[in-house]
Parts: sequence; C-alpha cells; structure tokens
Amino acid sequence: EVLLVESGGAVVHPGGSLRLSCAASGFKFDDYMIHWVRQIPGKGLEWVALISWDGGDTQYADSVRGRFTISRDNSKNAVQVEMNSLKTEDTAVYYCAKEGIGGSSLDVWGKGTTVTVSS
Amino acid sequence: DIQMTQSPASMSASVGDRVTITCRASQTISTYLNWYQQKPGKAPQLLIYAASSLQSGVPSRFSGSGSGTHFTLTISRLEAEDLATFYCQQSYRTPYTFGQGTKLDLK
Repeated sequence: EVLLVESGGAVVHPGGSLRLSCAASGFKFDDYMIHWVRQIPGKGLEWVALISWDGGDTQYADSVRGRFTISRDNSKNAVQVEMNSLKTEDTAVYYCAKEGIGGSSLDVWGKGTTVTVSS
Repeated sequence: DIQMTQSPASMSASVGDRVTITCRASQTISTYLNWYQQKPGKAPQLLIYAASSLQSGVPSRFSGSGSGTHFTLTISRLEAEDLATFYCQQSYRTPYTFGQGTKLDLK
C-alpha cells in the first residue's frame, strides 16, 4: 500500500520554528516529486512547496519563500520542511503529497499534521 | 501567478442529478488541470488529472473536460457518497494554484 505519513505538527509562538516530516512507503520513493499543501481550517487548499526526485530542484509559494526550506533523504524515504519565522497566518493542516504520472497531479496524500502559530 | 476561479462556490443537488462544476484559469494552461474531492476531516483525493483522465479507482460517473482556460468536472448521476468539496488545481506552472472550492451538498 502506498502511504504518506506526516508528523511534527505542534503549537508554536509567532517567530518560532518547526520541522515537519513526511514518511513514505509502498512505492519507489526516489522516482517521485513530493509536494506540501496546506489548508487553513474551514478554508481552501494552498500549494506550499515541491522537491524533485533527487532534491536538486525546489519550488516555493511566495507566502513561504525565504522562511520554509524543503529537503529530502532518499535513504530514509522521507521529506522534511523546515519552517522558520512562523506567522499566525501559517496556522493550517499541512499535507504532503506524491506527484503522480499525469501532468504533475497529486495522486497520494497523507492525512495531514496540524501547525498552530499562536501567542 | 495563475489564478483559478471555480463556479459555483456552493450548490445543492439530488441523488441521480447530473452535476457540473466549472473552473477557469487566468491564462492558458493547456490541459494541466486536476480535480480533487475532499470530504470533511479527510485529505483531498485525486479524481481527474490532465483535464480528462480518470484516476485509477475513481467511479466512471466522474468525468473532466476542457483545455486552455476553461474546464469542467461532471458527475453524471450523483450518489450520496459524492457529497464533498471539489477543487481544481493547475499544474502548468508553479505555484500550482488551487481554485477556491465548490461545496456540494444534498438538496
């Protein structure tokens, strides 16, 4: 079974830092791009970042560029996102998702991990 | 950034109805358009990729069409289990923006 499991969500103060992880299983991990997507409770989906199969290419949403860093360890089948200078507007459920074979669609998603930025 | 606009924002329908949701892109995206279904408290699930290709395991009552800037998701005969929020997403250029969502509930 293809699985993605996020972890690391927590309550953090504004200006703080957090690292989220995404553990993958059930597929050849180093063949696929991995994305992060977030969702403010009760709101829509916002694409956050992606990392290529080898980590050589990373892309970010304007809202997080310069504060978030995505990385991967193919030996551990894992992707991380380091989140710095957190703002209250970063409060959301964060999902990792695997890119599929068709036109950069996201064909497998984790269940999400919750980040709350609050004083 | 490419803006994605869905309509309607919400709608009510009955079991057995034909349902159509529209998504428009602010610039041409060829067929780099995907549709997702999200049920309350769950992660989104891919329904349609590349505008019209049905994801494996998705019922054939779901279909997608369009290219360029105008796309549609159609449910041919609505079933109760289809009630959810639907999102389009462009994957033509980063940032891979989503539409604001269409919430579908029972009439």
